[in-house]
Amino acid sequence: AQKITQTQPGMFVQEKEAVTLDCTYDTSDQSYGLFWYKQPSSGEMIFLIYQGSYDEQNATEGRYSLNFQKARKSANLVISASQLGDSAMYFCAMREEDSNYQLIWGAGTKLIIKP
Amino acid sequence: DTGVSQNPRHKITKRGQNVTFRCDPISEHNRLYWYRQTLGQGPEFLTYFQNEAQLEKSRLLSDRFSAERPKGSFSTLEIQRTEQGDSAMYLCASSFGSRVHEQYFGPGTRLTVT
Repeated sequence: AQKITQTQPGMFVQEKEAVTLDCTYDTSDQSYGLFWYKQPSSGEMIFLIYQGSYDEQNATEGRYSLNFQKARKSANLVISASQLGDSAMYFCAMREEDSNYQLIWGAGTKLIIKP
Repeated sequence: DTGVSQNPRHKITKRGQNVTFRCDPISEHNRLYWYRQTLGQGPEFLTYFQNEAQLEKSRLLSDRFSAERPKGSFSTLEIQRTEQGDSAMYLCASSFGSRVHEQYFGPGTRLTVT
């Protein structure tokens, strides 16, 4: 079974609109971390946001917020006021307890912002 | 530039040749990771170092693959007898201490095996 599922292979969004990128995960660990990374066409992975499984509040970093719904095992990324520079691949990843910090990745969502 | 650097950025090689990639992590980072990413997919974990010790290797890392981090600073990833299936982007990341959840990635080395 897939540990990280991103069901949206691609999305088109109008500039300045908010966008939600879906991510569901599967783990039996009690302690885990969830991550979102952005990969522009240049190829470099850029860390966006992190949510720990025990964090009570949803993580926020500027225009990025993580909608963490633990019971549903969902960790959606919300980008507010999208910009043309947000066009990229977005990956959801998980680190499980006692995993030596390795990340397990989803297949990604290609986001294209339309002017 | 104090980010993670990787060399070379691109490598084209013929099947059966050996290749070696280098990763220089952010200087104070004690953890270093190698991932492989094929087109249209998310990265797959290959191996992890804490300082100079290689603590984990994925089963994806066949005996043709070897990684080292001899002085706990830079790391090398060698692929022997390359196969066409080895064509991918090889990503290196590093992290530090209490901020282990923030893995900083290098630009990657794109390998093409012809």
